[in-house]
Amino acid sequence: QKEVEQNSGPLSVPEGAIASLNCTYSDRGSQSFFWYRQYSGKSPELIMFIYSNGDKEDGRFTAQLNKASQYVSLLIRDSQPSDSATYLCAVQSGSARQLTFGSGTQLTVLP
Amino acid sequence: SQTIHQWPATLVQPVGSPLSLECTVEGTSNPNLYWYRQAAGRGLQLLFYSVGIGQISSEVPQNLSASRPQDRQFILSSKKLLLSDSGFYLCAWSVGQLGQPQHFGDGTRLSIL
Repeated sequence: QKEVEQNSGPLSVPEGAIASLNCTYSDRGSQSFFWYRQYSGKSPELIMFIYSNGDKEDGRFTAQLNKASQYVSLLIRDSQPSDSATYLCAVQSGSARQLTFGSGTQLTVLP
Repeated sequence: SQTIHQWPATLVQPVGSPLSLECTVEGTSNPNLYWYRQAAGRGLQLLFYSVGIGQISSEVPQNLSASRPQDRQFILSSKKLLLSDSGFYLCAWSVGQLGQPQHFGDGTRLSIL
């Protein structure tokens, strides 16, 4: 059974700091990885995706992938109170490109 | 651009009643379609997915069913709801290629009394 593990948190960081969110996955054949942000009561929205080892940067967000360690992370630089949300890690596999989600990490950015 | 519509936004149903949730996608053809359920404070659980009209795959055994009567329409149904069916139901679509993300509708919050 494919598993995706995240620290549930809550993770609290001060405004302006770097928030680091981590995720591990069990299926070594997984090829694509996604980070979604979910505000309370809302649906998930895509933040970033990555499928090559290394770092991928988009504005204040950096996704990091290490397939050998089966580890993917999301760094949020210059964290803002508006970044306070639950962050979901998702791993893609299967012929229908199904996503397996972690349970999410709740992030709070303190003003 | 592509958009996804889900309705209703909220629903309160008694135990044993039927259910029908609808999802439609605009602006794309032959999308992959997915139904998820999210229990309070939990991650997303994939319920059903479809790669084409009439093609439905189920991920977990349950009293729910799904249908895809048209290319861009996905319906989640139940004949008799259970208390455990309460949750946040999300429909999503993707273009079906490796590396492409799924995009979610606004969801339906279902409460069973």
